Amino acid sequence: NAGVTQTPKFRILKIGQSMTLQCAQDMNHNYMYWYRQDPGMGLKLIYYSVGAGITDKGEVPNGYNVSRSTTEDFPLRLELAAPSQTSVYFCASSYSEGASGNTIYFGEGSWLTVV
Amino acid sequence: DQQVKQNSPSLSVQEGRISILNCDYTNSMFDYFLWYKKYPAEGPTFLISISSIKDKNEDGRFTVFLNKSAKHLSLHIVPSQPGDSAVYFCAASGDSSASKIIFGSGTRLSIRP
Repeated sequence: NAGVTQTPKFRILKIGQSMTLQCAQDMNHNYMYWYRQDPGMGLKLIYYSVGAGITDKGEVPNGYNVSRSTTEDFPLRLELAAPSQTSVYFCASSYSEGASGNTIYFGEGSWLTVV
Repeated sequence: DQQVKQNSPSLSVQEGRISILNCDYTNSMFDYFLWYKKYPAEGPTFLISISSIKDKNEDGRFTVFLNKSAKHLSLHIVPSQPGDSAVYFCAASGDSSASKIIFGSGTRLSIRP
């Protein structure tokens, strides 16, 4: 009963390094999302995908890239990490895009610190 | 420009009493509202929602009230239990699209014995 699985859970990066946050879901959901949550702020959408091969920008996409080669996986790539990317990252998935009558399932989060 | 605001970062309530969490929004185009609950080191989980065509939705101990004229919604938890201690996020959507959900900053609820 895995749901949405994110790895790694914690990571410290140096400025300018790159890394990929992995996300996998086993619920056969078409829609997947990446959010970030900064201290004292709400979750902000970085990127989302409506199905394999289709991705789109959210509210805060700068400094990130995504790909969706399979229904299950939705990795988030950080290129040239900056201190402003220090945050908690949540991957999520949903069966459909509709918010009404729909629930979004979140992973446990990935804590990223850029120093 | 926060479209969804939770002005109380924290709230402490005695076990057995009512917990009332408040949320204000600015965008009159929002037509669907959700509450998520988050425990430490876990992802948020869906709690309860309400459509703009209603003014109340109840699910067990949880009730959400919507006041469209005031652009205000509230979550009532009665009676409050120790397991309710968590961060609660209010969220709103304007076109029934999950990709357009706007989250508030959260309220940390602590239930004291």
